Amino acid sequence: NAGVTQTPKFRILKIGQSMTLQCTQDMNHNYMYWYRQDPGMGLKLIYYSVGAGITDKGEVPNGYNVSRSTTEDFPLRLELAAPSQTSVYFCASSYSSLAAYEQYFGPGTRLTVT
Amino acid sequence: GQNIDQPTEMTATEGAIVQINCTYQTSGFNGLFWYQQHAGEAPTFLSYNVLDGLEEKGRFSSFLSRSKGYSYLLLKELQMKDSASYLCAGDPPDSNYQLIWGAGTKLIIKP
Repeated sequence: NAGVTQTPKFRILKIGQSMTLQCTQDMNHNYMYWYRQDPGMGLKLIYYSVGAGITDKGEVPNGYNVSRSTTEDFPLRLELAAPSQTSVYFCASSYSSLAAYEQYFGPGTRLTVT
Repeated sequence: GQNIDQPTEMTATEGAIVQINCTYQTSGFNGLFWYQQHAGEAPTFLSYNVLDGLEEKGRFSSFLSRSKGYSYLLLKELQMKDSASYLCAGDPPDSNYQLIWGAGTKLIIKP
């Protein structure tokens, strides 16, 4: 199993550009999550999904969109990139609801917006 | 909202024992997670405590007191590879999906 994979690993965007961060998991997990991690701060949940076709906002959804057309894929779309979106983005998945189930994280995408 | 507090950085010596604390409001969480994150890498799961008390897993143990809003991660027989950040995260009772994460404690191991 590859686990959770993310592409790209690094990206530099200019202000106002858009991009999609890809996330795929091969563990047949229903639950998937997108986080951002800023230096000195805890992980912040952007969006999550409890299954194909179902997504919902997390703590910091503004400026982002997601879709979940299959169990495996959970892409994160950034529209009109802003410097405040410079961060490390992690995708994660879990077998079931959060309680008592560990989340498996992808390797992260390091995004810089200038 | 609920906050989680952890020390920013700790230093310990190879072979020694270190305790990393995590505190939160006692109105609290269903349980507490601990994750390890090496620099430039993804977090990986270490433990989840839902009952009060100590749970041991090899060199790592995790403790929870829900009444005191307190958890700690105990690392024994420290090795250089234990140099990493240790993230504490709480599982709020009103949300199944949104963990509340501490900022993490950076642990530096010296020979």
